[in-house]
Amino acid sequence: EPEVTQTPSHQVTQMGQEVILRCVPISNHLYFYWYRQILGQKVEFLVSFYNNEISEKSEIFDDQFSVERPDGSNFTLKIRSTKLEDSAMYFCASSGTSGTQETQYFGPGTRLLVL
Amino acid sequence: DQQVKQNSPSLSVQEGRISILNCDYTNSMFDYFLWYKKYPAEGPTFLISISSIKDKNEDGRFTVFLNKSAKHLSLHIVPSQPGDSAVYFCAANLQGAQKLVFGQGTRLTINP
Repeated sequence: EPEVTQTPSHQVTQMGQEVILRCVPISNHLYFYWYRQILGQKVEFLVSFYNNEISEKSEIFDDQFSVERPDGSNFTLKIRSTKLEDSAMYFCASSGTSGTQETQYFGPGTRLLVL
Repeated sequence: DQQVKQNSPSLSVQEGRISILNCDYTNSMFDYFLWYKKYPAEGPTFLISISSIKDKNEDGRFTVFLNKSAKHLSLHIVPSQPGDSAVYFCAANLQGAQKLVFGQGTRLTINP
């Protein structure tokens, strides 16, 4: 069964450093997403991406964040200058063709720890 | 942001009995609802969904009920099995939008 994969599974970084989280969405999906879950809190939407551009983003997704689809398979989230409060599980998700009223399939997550 | 709420942080059920997980929402513009199951250190796994034009959807041991007038949905698992022990999230999709809004989750424990 096709699945979303994410690398690395864990990342430890120093405050102020840049990190890139990588995802390979399900191959025939057209919509891609990033969510995060801070320990003990809800899963929160960050951004959605379609047709090589951001289609929707939350207030959390400020100028420190960027997303990219550098090739036909990878989808990345870059945090330019990490802060302590960026420590969280980051989940990538993908969905098929319509983006709404459609199931989003999640990857296993990357646990980011900012020291 | 309390648009989707799961008021029970935990639920304990005997193996073989029915598990009922509840979810309330406040925004009447939500038109698609999903339940996900999550094990520790894994991503949410899709279980079942329902469109706002329906009031029930069934898939094997899982049934989701939607009561639009009460802005309430529930997930029924019957019979409950030990492998069902996990955290269950309900999520809702706003009409015309892509983001999912999640509840806080309910930890379900199935006792042998």
